[in-house]
Amino acid sequence: EAQVTQNPRYLITVTGKKLTVTCSQNMNHEYMSWYRQDPGLGLRQIYYSMNVEVTDKGDVPEGYKVSRKEKRNFPLILESPSPNQTSLYFCASSLLAVDALRNEQYFGPGTRLTVT
Amino acid sequence: RKEVEQDPGPFNVPEGATVAFNCTYSNSASQSFFWYRQDCRKEPKLLMSVYSSGNEDGRFTAQLNRASQYISLLIRDSKLSDSATYLCVVRLNTGFQKLVFGTGTRLLVSP
Repeated sequence: EAQVTQNPRYLITVTGKKLTVTCSQNMNHEYMSWYRQDPGLGLRQIYYSMNVEVTDKGDVPEGYKVSRKEKRNFPLILESPSPNQTSLYFCASSLLAVDALRNEQYFGPGTRLTVT
Repeated sequence: RKEVEQDPGPFNVPEGATVAFNCTYSNSASQSFFWYRQDCRKEPKLLMSVYSSGNEDGRFTAQLNRASQYISLLIRDSKLSDSATYLCVVRLNTGFQKLVFGTGTRLLVSP
């Protein structure tokens, strides 16, 4: 089954404790991205990756890192989480970047992160 | 001003009702338009694209008014299963193409 998986689905952590949210897709997609969703603000792109070893900042990259060492995985790293990073996070993938812009992208189920 | 604005709702309607949502966008570089559906705390899913001439998919009709910079979604014969949040999404071309998501309009359909 074609899918995007994220782990963990729920996480409560404390300020400053490094964490990683994993994202994996089994569709051999080149383009992957991370979004956060906050009440009243909609989905905002954090980082995206056009292919292996190619990543770039989205609209709200501050406080986040990503890596793309393999095509299937695109982890989101919070080196020192802060309460303002409490949010619902979605990973998404598409075959190519142009497909994402045509909205032919697959979203993961989301990760609800709370930083206290 | 937000690039994409939606009435957050909620819109409370009885089963069988017709309901319409509007979405306005501020950037004239907006190229393409879409409606997504998002169930509570789940991932967004593409509902339909919006074409200049308007388009229909079953009970759902989408319209685009470029002159007034708004798009609309009409749902006829509402079902309980239509209860969700509907996101308006705009594709911008400002030298670099990007998607801008609205904050969503919540719909509650009651028996």
